[in-house]
Amino acid sequence: QSVLTQPPSASGTPGQRVTISCSGSSSNIGSNYVYWYQQLPGTAPKLLIYRNNQRPSGVPDRFSGSKSGTSASLAISGLRSEDEADYYCAAWDDSLRGVFGGGTKLTVL
Amino acid sequence: EVQLVESGGGLVKPGGSLRLSCAASGFTFSSYSMNWVRQAPGKGLEWVSSISSSSSYIYYADSVKGRFTISRDNAKNSLYLQMNSLRAEDTAVYYCARVNELGADYWGQGTLVTVSS
Repeated sequence: QSVLTQPPSASGTPGQRVTISCSGSSSNIGSNYVYWYQQLPGTAPKLLIYRNNQRPSGVPDRFSGSKSGTSASLAISGLRSEDEADYYCAAWDDSLRGVFGGGTKLTVL
Repeated sequence: EVQLVESGGGLVKPGGSLRLSCAASGFTFSSYSMNWVRQAPGKGLEWVSSISSSSSYIYYADSVKGRFTISRDNAKNSLYLQMNSLRAEDTAVYYCARVNELGADYWGQGTLVTVSS
């Protein structure tokens, strides 16, 4: 039971737009930044989005993040086969402990 | 190039101990907070512990508090996780990650810890 709630799976066809939601509480998402990580099969997680909606250099602008209240979402537009991965949202909580979502497995059909 | 290389994982019996290490290179290690994050087989990510750049601030997940100890040696560019009283549910790949205002922006490849009799 993860502190942040994500749907376990999502899917889309190439070229489509897909969104992944992340729900938290006032002590984590509601008062702190949200981060998104991409984990390709058999590899370490990679930072995808920081501070709710900022992309590190090298991350395509097909990936975007947003936050409203105690929820956040990751949108992937122009879906590609190489986007098939697990996606995790994360935040700090007010007690300065890290919290993750349970992860969403994205399948490109 | 930023590199984080974990070591020290292996098979240990329940109740046993293990010390993980994370060797950092390619950046000024002493300027960054560091995290340990773990992932049980087939499961999601779980934050384990954080340590500030000068070791002044240390935090643990409730699941490991009192059993695990995070530390660092800035002179050796190394991060450690001492794990005592290990349980089956501690079985996981353990990642070290560099932390800054961007979040956990670099991760190691992980080291597998298996707790089993």
